[in-house]
Amino acid sequence: DSGVTQTPKHLITATGQRVTLRCSPRSGDLSVYWYQQSLDQGLQFLIQYYNGEERAKGNILERFSAQQFPDLHSELNLSSLELGDSALYFCASSVAGYSNQPQHFGDGTRLSIL
Amino acid sequence: AQKITQTQPGMFVQEKEAVTLDCTYDTSDQSYGLFWYKQPSSGEMIFLIYQGSYDEQNATEGRYSLNFQKARKSANLVISASQLGDSAMYFCAVLSGTYKYIFGTGTRLKVLA
Repeated sequence: DSGVTQTPKHLITATGQRVTLRCSPRSGDLSVYWYQQSLDQGLQFLIQYYNGEERAKGNILERFSAQQFPDLHSELNLSSLELGDSALYFCASSVAGYSNQPQHFGDGTRLSIL
Repeated sequence: AQKITQTQPGMFVQEKEAVTLDCTYDTSDQSYGLFWYKQPSSGEMIFLIYQGSYDEQNATEGRYSLNFQKARKSANLVISASQLGDSAMYFCAVLSGTYKYIFGTGTRLKVLA
């Protein structure tokens, strides 16, 4: 058990819809990361937050947004969903996001767009 | 830009033997971290081992060790005494000053009984 909690584990929805994925980091971790893992794109870094502030942005679409709340949990919002958004979405956390700190991953949310 | 290359899409190893999974990286930063993660078929990502760019000794964690060759920009993972439970996808990753983790495309390891 990594200590990172992601909900829901599975999500099935239709094109055009909007969903929210939730992540609670490990106790004591201030930094949260979001990733998308699809079969053809591998593991893609989306965005990182540190103590409530956005710190780094990766290949995140404009239809996607995220935030980290004062209690350090984070949400990833995906809107105007397309079939290609079907993927496994991971949240990870680390103490402060420095280069000598490993990330600990949640079990992921599997999103299926019908 | 940072880049990670894992050239072995799939590998087989006999149980109890050692196996080396290759990883080369490209970064212009002097300070960076190299990480290996394991993803079993159940889907979770499990942190295995870390190597810092300034670490002179190769990292070891139980049966896992990292063969770090800085000049060649390689960070190969060595798994000793392979077990059936080691069958999984293995990802190499680099993190440097931009705070962006870059992952390789992974190597699928199958341990044979």
